[in-house]
Amino acid sequence: AQTVTQSQPEMSVQEAETVTLSCTYDTSESNYYLFWYKQPPSRQMILVIRQEAYKQQNATENRFSVNFQKAAKSFSLKISDSQLGDTAMYFCAASATGKLIFGQGTTLQVKP
Amino acid sequence: ETGVTQTPRHLVMGMTNKKSLKCEQHLGHNAMYWYKQSAKKPLELMFVYNFKEQTENNSVPSRFSPECPNSSHLFLHLHTLQPEDSALYLCASSQELPSGNTIYFGEGSWLTVV
Repeated sequence: AQTVTQSQPEMSVQEAETVTLSCTYDTSESNYYLFWYKQPPSRQMILVIRQEAYKQQNATENRFSVNFQKAAKSFSLKISDSQLGDTAMYFCAASATGKLIFGQGTTLQVKP
Repeated sequence: ETGVTQTPRHLVMGMTNKKSLKCEQHLGHNAMYWYKQSAKKPLELMFVYNFKEQTENNSVPSRFSPECPNSSHLFLHLHTLQPEDSALYLCASSQELPSGNTIYFGEGSWLTVV
């Protein structure tokens, strides 16, 4: 069984600053994938970034990057130069067989 | 356009009604999913289909009945629902199972049971 835990229900950050969202997971699978999804007020779930567990290099997508610590089963998301449009709920998710299992989500508020 | 289209976007139904949610994906994918998102709860995986075959039923009550007539369409038939079934129902698709392919979501169907 897989579990994903996000321990920060809410966070805020000033525009242009950097924020890190935490996520831990547990799985018995040796091969798995980790994701961060963003859900803005429109409720559309949008992929932010994807990490393959067998790759040691941390994934990066523009202002978004992850800190993947496999031994600690940690997968945090760093958002640099935060923008107002980053305001959303962020979900960490894990997939070993193609089924995404989500964490509880972190609501991020970017303040002007 | 998201590639995954859900209709209706909003649905209000009585507990004795029968209704259906529809999902269509235009991405050429072979796996489709139903998720339930309730307030203050993580997204819950309900059903998974891979090449039209159901591969997962996550202990969902029988008042929810999925149907996948082909790889592009997925339905969720609803009957004799309870008020606690009110939630956002998200449809999603991916290339196929098992894999770590990205899952793409629709915009959701808001269901209110009165």
